[in-house]
Amino acid sequence: QVQLQESGPGLVKPSQTLSLTCTVSGGSISSADYYWSWIRQHPGKGLEWIGYIYHRGNTYYNPSLKSRLTISGDTSKNQFSLKLSSVTAADTAVYYCAVKEGVVAGVHWGQGILVTVSS
Amino acid sequence: DIQMTQSPSTLSASVGDRVTITCRASQSISTWLAWYQQKPGKAPKLLIYKASTLESGVPSRFGGSGSGTEFSLTINSLQPDDFATYYCQQYNSYWTFGQGTKVEIK
Repeated sequence: QVQLQESGPGLVKPSQTLSLTCTVSGGSISSADYYWSWIRQHPGKGLEWIGYIYHRGNTYYNPSLKSRLTISGDTSKNQFSLKLSSVTAADTAVYYCAVKEGVVAGVHWGQGILVTVSS
Repeated sequence: DIQMTQSPSTLSASVGDRVTITCRASQSISTWLAWYQQKPGKAPKLLIYKASTLESGVPSRFGGSGSGTEFSLTINSLQPDDFATYYCQQYNSYWTFGQGTKVEIK
């Protein structure tokens, strides 16, 4: 089964760019029909889909975040990344990378990483 | 955007009870719906996908049903390990999650 591990800074200053990487094992980010995703959870709140990258680098983003968001993949390292610009305290959350193994399937999650936006 | 509304927000139950959580979509999503269980400090765990297909390794006391806009997750004979928060997710158009249902001990 695919394993996912998030990494990146746990603290980001307001107005800066939040950058996270997800390292994938047990599967390839080049796999067709796999959706490599980012999802976040604000403290004590529900789940918010951020976006995903799939076959040949195609991306779909949450419209509410699209203007600040870039998701990209590095096939040589079997990693995919999230960049969220101009962050504010409202972007403080646990960020999960996740994978959906096909159109029909549900989502499998990494363990998550807490990112705090604060000066 | 497709909105997902779960009910109830909190459910108090006892071990052995049968519980049902409902999820309503703001427009038809066919059967493109999944259910997740989340425990404090942990990532969500996939239970059911395509509305009623049990994920491998998930106990058979969990069941899902529904199509279109109305869906439900049923847990037969609630076990101590089942006290958690449950989320539905639509994947018909982008992805959207319900707000969650916390199943707590009565």
